[in-house]
Amino acid sequence: GAVVSQHPSWVICKSGTSVKIECRSLDFQATTMFWYRQFPKQSLMLMATSNEGSKATYEQGVEKDKFLINHASLTLSTLTVTSAHPEDSSFYICSARDHGAGANTGELFFGEGSRLTVL
Amino acid sequence: DAKTTQPPSMDCAEGRAANLPCNHSTISGNEYVYWYRQIHSQGPQYIIHGLKNNETNEMASLIITEDRKSSTLILPHATLRDTAVYYCIVLRTGNQFYFGTGTSLTVIP
Repeated sequence: GAVVSQHPSWVICKSGTSVKIECRSLDFQATTMFWYRQFPKQSLMLMATSNEGSKATYEQGVEKDKFLINHASLTLSTLTVTSAHPEDSSFYICSARDHGAGANTGELFFGEGSRLTVL
Repeated sequence: DAKTTQPPSMDCAEGRAANLPCNHSTISGNEYVYWYRQIHSQGPQYIIHGLKNNETNEMASLIITEDRKSSTLILPHATLRDTAVYYCIVLRTGNQFYFGTGTSLTVIP
């Protein structure tokens, strides 16, 4: 099956620094990728929809200047957490749908997730 | 957007069938029902999806009621490795997956 890879799988950083998380579709092209965050014992919360070659669409309440998303190619989207603070510590998960699949039938493939800890 | 309602938790004996229900009473005609599961600290894993007809694959079966207002995911012979949170998702026409709270399934030896 299709594979989505995230890197890094975990990262620890100091408060005030920026952290970049990469999401790659390894064997298919994805015009759209999705970024989620998940706090302990909670469900996944959609943060934004990343569109190749255009600006990301953010969900209500998600700060676009805080969480910078770039989708420069059909196989790569990046999420940058800027000026990270301890409350940004979370599990960040990306997903992508195969560009070739039907819009309402294609399953969503998820990455392994990236655990961010901000000290 | 069609919302889903799932029981927060369920137990199942190892080797028995696990039946996980999901209510989606506001589903519209062109929305699919997807099931994913998430094992602790991993990304969600696709299980199965359907529109109107019942579906079966190597992992599970999906039973959708005739009025499409509810569905049941069936794991025919649950193993300890099936312990996970199971999410029922109705796919918006905008193609975004919104996760509910899911059902935490514990398979008991």
